[in-house]
Amino acid sequence: DIQMTQSPSSLSASVGDRVTITCRASQSISSYLHWYQQKPGKAPKLLIYAASTLPSGVPSRFSGSGSGTDFTLTISSLQPEDFATYYCQQTYSDPQDTFGGGTKVEIK
Amino acid sequence: QLQLQESGPGLVKPSETLSLTCTVSGGSISSTNYYWGWIRQPPGKGLEWIGSIYYSGSTYYNASLKSRVTISVDTSKNQFSLKMTSVTAADTAVYYCARRERTSWYYFDYWGQGTLVTVSS
Repeated sequence: DIQMTQSPSSLSASVGDRVTITCRASQSISSYLHWYQQKPGKAPKLLIYAASTLPSGVPSRFSGSGSGTDFTLTISSLQPEDFATYYCQQTYSDPQDTFGGGTKVEIK
Repeated sequence: QLQLQESGPGLVKPSETLSLTCTVSGGSISSTNYYWGWIRQPPGKGLEWIGSIYYSGSTYYNASLKSRVTISVDTSKNQFSLKMTSVTAADTAVYYCARRERTSWYYFDYWGQGTLVTVSS
């Protein structure tokens, strides 16, 4: 099974900060890496797919990079509505998905 | 706009069977471009993929749950369903249904709002 490790598990940041979250796969997954944003009491929302592609409607302050085993999600200037938990997901071993453990972004 | 809605009992007794249905509206479950999946999230914890189904009935399950899980599809009702047997308190979670893209990168692009299932006597 492919394991996904996210770091940090939580972070505190201020509005306007640049935030970076990392996700590491236990083996190479090419670019089959996706990011989701989840707010309390809500379903996850697709934020980035294929490591770096933003779906329509996602603000450009979000960006993703990486391939192989190491990936990053970057928020260039944190906004109040970005405080949430972020999950990575690998689908290289389709259809046997795995999600990372999540990173909670909190207000400093 | 595609919408998914989970339905089913919110309380299940230990050792019994959890049954949920996902109703899809605004699109056809018979599309060749998508799988349909179930994901769960225990309170305060992360996401766990349970399994997925194609409209033809082909199923794919998380190996750790495979012995207890059955996913089925009813194309006439535009629904798919989850059954999980022999539940314990560890199966208490919010259960989400979602659409999974199957032609390129396999991400989940539409999700239901989720339904909390509590396993308790």
